[in-house]
Amino acid sequence: AQRVTQPEKLLSVFKGAPVELKCNYSYSGSPELFWYVQYSRQRLQLLLRHISRESIKGFTADLNKGETSFHLKKPFAQEEDSAMYYCALSLNTGGFKTIFGAGTRLFVKA
Amino acid sequence: DTGVSQDPRHKITKRGQNVTFRCDPISEHNRLYWYRQTLGQGPEFLTYFQNEAQLEKSRLLSDRFSAERPKGSFSTLEIQRTEQGDSAMYLCASSRDGSGPQHFGDGTRLSIL
Repeated sequence: AQRVTQPEKLLSVFKGAPVELKCNYSYSGSPELFWYVQYSRQRLQLLLRHISRESIKGFTADLNKGETSFHLKKPFAQEEDSAMYYCALSLNTGGFKTIFGAGTRLFVKA
Repeated sequence: DTGVSQDPRHKITKRGQNVTFRCDPISEHNRLYWYRQTLGQGPEFLTYFQNEAQLEKSRLLSDRFSAERPKGSFSTLEIQRTEQGDSAMYLCASSRDGSGPQHFGDGTRLSIL
């Protein structure tokens, strides 16, 4: 069955420290992976997608098909990065059903 | 364009009542998605439309749930004979195409008394 696992419910780091939010997926097809973010009192929004291979707000994520992972990384965390982060898998099966992980709350301490 | 709009923002109703939510997607987006989110979980896929066609429906969606997108623009999600377990945030999202990023609304929070 298709699944997205985010093992950490909460991740707390100090400002300026590196941060890595883990995401593992289970899917036998060709995955399309995304990271969505929800800041306090805002709607869920796209942060980045793996096919873009770009850095957004200093965040990057690399798809590792061998390890079926799509971890989100940032070398120096900022207080404004505090938010809820969701990893999502879009199934390219003719339709585009999307499966979300349970989310990781990132708290960046001053 | 204000993005995806959902109405109402909050709905409180008694168990057994019917409720209907509305979603207005971004105008040029032909794909529209409904999700349900409960506390501590990520959005859970319910169904999606391409234009007016409902292409996929989650097995989690019981017969009490129905969704429509009659003219390929706005969509409605109706829940009949609501139950306690239906209490959740109902999210709508739209995208330009199937593989594109989804743009979410603020959601409708449903509380069943």
